[in-house]
Amino acid sequence: DTAVSQTPKYLVTQMGNDKSIKCEQNLGHDTMYWYKQDSKKFLKIMFSYNNKELIINETVPNRFSPKSPDKAHLNLHINSLELGDSAVYFCASSPGLAGPTSTDTQYFGPGTRLTVL
Amino acid sequence: LAKTTQPISMDSYEGQEVNITCSHNNIATNDYITWYQQFPSQGPRFIIQGYKTKVTNEVASLFIPADRKSSTLSLPRVSLSDTAVYYCLVAGNQGGKLIFGQGTELSVKP
Repeated sequence: DTAVSQTPKYLVTQMGNDKSIKCEQNLGHDTMYWYKQDSKKFLKIMFSYNNKELIINETVPNRFSPKSPDKAHLNLHINSLELGDSAVYFCASSPGLAGPTSTDTQYFGPGTRLTVL
Repeated sequence: LAKTTQPISMDSYEGQEVNITCSHNNIATNDYITWYQQFPSQGPRFIIQGYKTKVTNEVASLFIPADRKSSTLSLPRVSLSDTAVYYCLVAGNQGGKLIFGQGTELSVKP
């Protein structure tokens, strides 16, 4: 009965590699997000998708490419990993029919801890 | 953009009331204020949301003054299990910026 799930939970890799993180939600929500949380707990939005369409794209290197095959899935692919990419990545979803609204409650996944060596 | 500012950390003891204030001087008319709680190794989870005055639920209360430039999350009689990071989020309408504060790390001691 997991609401928002992410795989893998931990990811350790070398600089320069390409990796993907998968996210799935079974809440029937139309909007999904990717957040990055650094070591200082700062939580920053990276992307938001509404029904498979990109609606928010913060200042993120183009090495990061989100893909939404359907509205229940939002995967994050990262090319040419760098040391500074080490962080915890959270996927989230919210009901917003046309994107996030001011009253939308976001439901977060458990996070993926990415370590780049 | 409604940037938010919170204290980085707070300490408390079991049974005390804890008040965490978030400043959001540039809040827009359509923005709501939402607080999230994050336990270690977990994703944030919703606690409470409000627009103005006072909102109360079974977990917390949220106080928002008339000018809405700040808000205060109030946790009554905290326990050890309330030790977590608390985030204040000011969110606008569709397509608006989702800006979390840096979070307040609350430590509750016996």
